[in-house]
Amino acid sequence: GAGVSQSPSNKVTEKGKDVELRCDPISGHTALYWYRQSLGQGLEFLIYFQGNSAPDKSGLPSDRFSAERTGGSVSTLTIQRTQQEDSAVYLCASSQITGTAIHYEQYFGPGTRLTVT
Amino acid sequence: QKEVEQDPGPLSVPEGAIVSLNCTYSNSAFQYFMWYRQYSRKGPELLMYTYSSGNKEDGRFTAQVDKSSKYISLFIRDSQPSDSATYLCAMSGANSGYSTLTFGKGTMLLVSP
Repeated sequence: GAGVSQSPSNKVTEKGKDVELRCDPISGHTALYWYRQSLGQGLEFLIYFQGNSAPDKSGLPSDRFSAERTGGSVSTLTIQRTQQEDSAVYLCASSQITGTAIHYEQYFGPGTRLTVT
Repeated sequence: QKEVEQDPGPLSVPEGAIVSLNCTYSNSAFQYFMWYRQYSRKGPELLMYTYSSGNKEDGRFTAQVDKSSKYISLFIRDSQPSDSATYLCAMSGANSGYSTLTFGKGTMLLVSP
């Protein structure tokens, strides 16, 4: 079956512009995560959506970052007024979490490589 | 001090060698421990997970967790050039409802033929 897809695969933007990154999770997965991977910094958690619950935004680095998940499926990560330090690979992951069971496996997309010039 | 520490490498070994990859952590609330493999320009993929302390073996891969030392390891036996990738440890615990993962920076492994 189809995995997690992300678009665009690469994005070059000028400092100060807004960008939108898209994630299509695996069909039926209730949980969706956004991470940022900078060179030498590992994966940094940004935001987590689970079903109809309020998202966990605790990882968003500033109020320039926001994310939506429409209809419990597709998600968009928006970065406003981009800065050079926003340059990174943005990874999306989804997983199936049902009831009290803990399904630990997160399936990752290939990422969007963002370059801010 | 970061919650999860991992040597970035690179770690270079010849084909057939036994590889040991390690992470240390500081948060005693972590209970699930995972190893992800990431090839260049790809997303991470889950290799193995363990819950609490102990060992787990899957083919050439063995994961070990020592909660008393806050230390986890991944061993790769008979390493192959196709094992060349970045290996990321990840952890979760009740403090985050097990929903979010805290990752190490990753160790780059290079296996030469």
